[in-house]
Formats: sequence, C-alpha cells, structure tokens
Amino acid sequence: AQSVTQLGSHVSVSEGALVLLRCNYSSSVPPYLFWYVQYPNQGLQLLLKYTSAATLVKGINGFEAEFKKSETSFHLTKPSAHMSDAAEYFCAVSASGTYKYIFGTGTRLKVLA
Amino acid sequence: DTGVSQNPRHKITKRGQNVTFRCDPISEHNRLYWYRQTLGQGPEFLTYFQNEAQLEKSRLLSDRFSAERPKGSFSTLEIQRTEQGDSAMYLCASSPRVKREIYNEQFFGPGTRLTVL
Repeated sequence: AQSVTQLGSHVSVSEGALVLLRCNYSSSVPPYLFWYVQYPNQGLQLLLKYTSAATLVKGINGFEAEFKKSETSFHLTKPSAHMSDAAEYFCAVSASGTYKYIFGTGTRLKVLA
Repeated sequence: DTGVSQNPRHKITKRGQNVTFRCDPISEHNRLYWYRQTLGQGPEFLTYFQNEAQLEKSRLLSDRFSAERPKGSFSTLEIQRTEQGDSAMYLCASSPRVKREIYNEQFFGPGTRLTVL
C-alpha cells in the first residue's frame, strides 16, 4: 500500500527566497512520485515526476525535487520564489501495476512581497 | 484546446436531486479516472476505466454514484439523491497507453465543482 504525507499545510516565503515543500512517502514497492500544482478553481498541473531514472528531477517553472530512498522523501524546491508561485501543491505516489494516484493533503504556498 | 475537458464547471443543486457530470479525455487516451477533492484535502480516487471497462471502484463510491464510459470515449459520473456531503470538486484525468507499463502520467481536467444545498 502507498501513502503520502505532506508536512505543513501552509508555507509562507518572501519573494526571492527559497521554497521548500516537504513530501514523505510510504510504499511497499518502488514508487513513482509526482508533484502537481493547483491554482484556485483549476485542475492539477504536473510540475515534475520521478520514475526511477535520475534522483534529482527538474520540472517546470524552475522547480526541482530530489528522491531520497533512505529518507523516503521527495521534497520540492525552488531557489527563488515568485509571486506567481502562490498556489496549492500536491505530492502523489503511484506504483507500477497500479493506476490510481494517492495524494497528500496539499501545501498552500503563500509568497510575500 | 486538446486537454481534458469537463462540463459543467460548476453545479449547484438541492439535496435529493440527481446530477450528471461529463468528462472528455485527451484524444486517444485509453485510461480515464475520476477523483473527488473536498476542501482542504487532496484528490481521492473514485474509479478508473480502461477503454469502456470500469476496472476499479473505490469504497468511496457509494451505490448512489455511477460512472460510465460508453465506447471508450467520454465518461459520465452520475450522483443520485445528492447529499450535502457530496459537495466537492470532481476531477477527471486521462492517461495514454504506453508500450512499456512503467508508470502512467495522468492529465487532469479543470474539474466540476458541486455544491449541494
């Protein structure tokens, strides 16, 4: 069975500061991991995905995430926050042979001017 | 626009009424998924189709919920005798068939927001 924990339901950063959103997963089989962003009243947009290739994954809008098996983590980072990054971010896990995603509860990112 | 589309985008209904939502997946995507997202939560899996076959249903999908995907194209999700607890965003996603089943990348639609009064 898979599960995802996102620590911090709300994160605030200043514009230009580092963004760090935390995601820990649990999976009995090698996982596939995803980060999605959701803007108000919109669907989910894929930021990046880990599919067992490189452990450091680069995504869109300057985001990246590092898969750390020893820590069962897949934290999302961005070196410099922009006002347009304000949104809700979801971490999700899937596994080979299963088709559904298991999502975390989300982290709402607020960017302060 | 070649993305996943959902209609309507918003639906307000009275308790006890039936509602139906439609999802049009990306063309040639053979897999289609429904998720439900309540306020402050992540999306929760409801059901999944491969072509026209409904292969998995969550326990969240009570008898009042039914989903169909005739001819393996668009899908509908119907909720009968709606309850206030059904108020949520209903998200549809689709994914393509790939030769090597390594992982499936799901593409999400904008969702249908249901409010049950």
